Amino acid sequence: KQEVTQIPAALSVPEGENLVLNCSFTDSAIYNLQWFRQDPGKGLTSLLLIQSSQREQTSGRLNASLDKSSGRSTLYIAASQPGDSATYLCAVKDNAGNMLTFGGGTRLMVKP
Amino acid sequence: SAVISQKPSRDICQRGTSLTIQCQVDSQVTMMFWYRQQPGQSLTLIATANQGSEATYESGFVIDKFPISRPNLTFSTLTVSNMSPEDSSIYLCSVEGRSQETQYFGPGTRLLVL
Repeated sequence: KQEVTQIPAALSVPEGENLVLNCSFTDSAIYNLQWFRQDPGKGLTSLLLIQSSQREQTSGRLNASLDKSSGRSTLYIAASQPGDSATYLCAVKDNAGNMLTFGGGTRLMVKP
Repeated sequence: SAVISQKPSRDICQRGTSLTIQCQVDSQVTMMFWYRQQPGQSLTLIATANQGSEATYESGFVIDKFPISRPNLTFSTLTVSNMSPEDSSIYLCSVEGRSQETQYFGPGTRLLVL
C-alpha cells in the first residue's frame, strides 16, 4: 500500500526566503505526482503535476522535482511571500488505479 | 481545467441526522471522487463514483454510511448518514481532467456535527 510522507509538517520563514518542501513515497510505481495548495477552510488548488517520466516541472516561482527511483519529490518556492502561506499537499497516483494518495501536508507561514 | 461547485459550503448538524452534499462539474467526466479531510488531517478517499454503476468504496467506508448517487456525467451526491461528531470533516468532490492526469477539487463542504 502506497504511503506518502511530507517533511516538515510545519514551517515558518521570513518573507523573501527560498524554501524546500519534501515529499517521499514508498512505492515507486507511480503514474504521476501532484502538488496542491490548500488555504484554510478551502478546497485544493493544483500547483504542479509531474509525470513519472519527468524530472521536474516549473511554474513561476515554483519548481517541483521528482526522483522516482528514490521515492522523493521536492517543491522549491523561490523568494517566498506572505501570500504563499498555506498548506502544501503532495499526492501520488499509482499505476494500478486512479486514486490519489496524499501526504500529511506542510503548513507554511511566511512572515512579512 | 474543470470547475467544480459543492453545496452546501458548510453546515452544522445534529447527531443522528443525515446530510446530502451535492457536487456539480462544468463538463462531463467519467469518474468522480469523494474525499474526507478530518480536522488537522490530510485527505482520505471515500469512494469513486462512475455514472451508471455502483460506487467503489475504499477500506473503512461503507455504502450504508456514505451512500453515493451519480445520475449523470456532471453531477454526484454524497450522503453522510446517521451522523456522529466523528463525522465532522471537510468533504471534497474531485474529478480528473480531460487528459486523466491533473485532478481538480471542489471547494469542499465543511461539516460540524454536534
